[in-house]
Amino acid sequence: EAQVTQNPRYLITVTGKKLTVTCSQNMNHEYMSWYRQDPGLGLRQIYYSMNVEVTDKGDVPEGYKVSRKEKRNFPLILESPSPNQTSLYFCASQGNRRNTEAFFGQGTRLTVV
Amino acid sequence: AQSVAQPEDQVNVAEGNPLTVKCTYSVSGNPYLFWYVQYPNRGLQFLLKYITGDNLVKGSYGFEAEFNKSQTSFHLKKPSALVSDSALYFCAVRADPSYDKVIFGPGTSLSVIP
Repeated sequence: EAQVTQNPRYLITVTGKKLTVTCSQNMNHEYMSWYRQDPGLGLRQIYYSMNVEVTDKGDVPEGYKVSRKEKRNFPLILESPSPNQTSLYFCASQGNRRNTEAFFGQGTRLTVV
Repeated sequence: AQSVAQPEDQVNVAEGNPLTVKCTYSVSGNPYLFWYVQYPNRGLQFLLKYITGDNLVKGSYGFEAEFNKSQTSFHLKKPSALVSDSALYFCAVRADPSYDKVIFGPGTSLSVIP
């Protein structure tokens, strides 16, 4: 079954404690991206990756890092989380052609206290 | 700056009635337009897309959308709403100068009333 898997689904952490949210896809997609969803703001793209070792900033990259060492994995790293990063996070993957639709993970609800 | 607007936060419609969820965009160049649906506690699911060709595109679950270049709109429609259509709907666009980024609208919450 084609899927994008994120872990964990829920996470509560404290300010400043480094964390990683993992994302893996089994569709051999080149393009992967991370979004955060906040009420009234919709989805905002944090980072995206066109292929292995190729990453670029989206609209809200501050406070986040990503890496793309393998095609299937695209982890999101928060080196020093802050309360304003409390949000619902989604990972997505799609083919590299511009007209392809995205497949989304189930989401990770992060709370930073 | 490129943007996507969904002018209605909330749309209420009676079951069996036609529904419309509006989307307008502001981009340079030719856009690729998408609609996604999000059910509670789930990720987004793809509904339909406009790339080129016929301005009326058909998608999953009986939904369709009409691309109007002069009005820069891509409204989502369904002839007869179901209670199970109640969800959050997002419009998204990829466009010049770089098709790499994906821009989402803020979302519209659809409630279908029995």
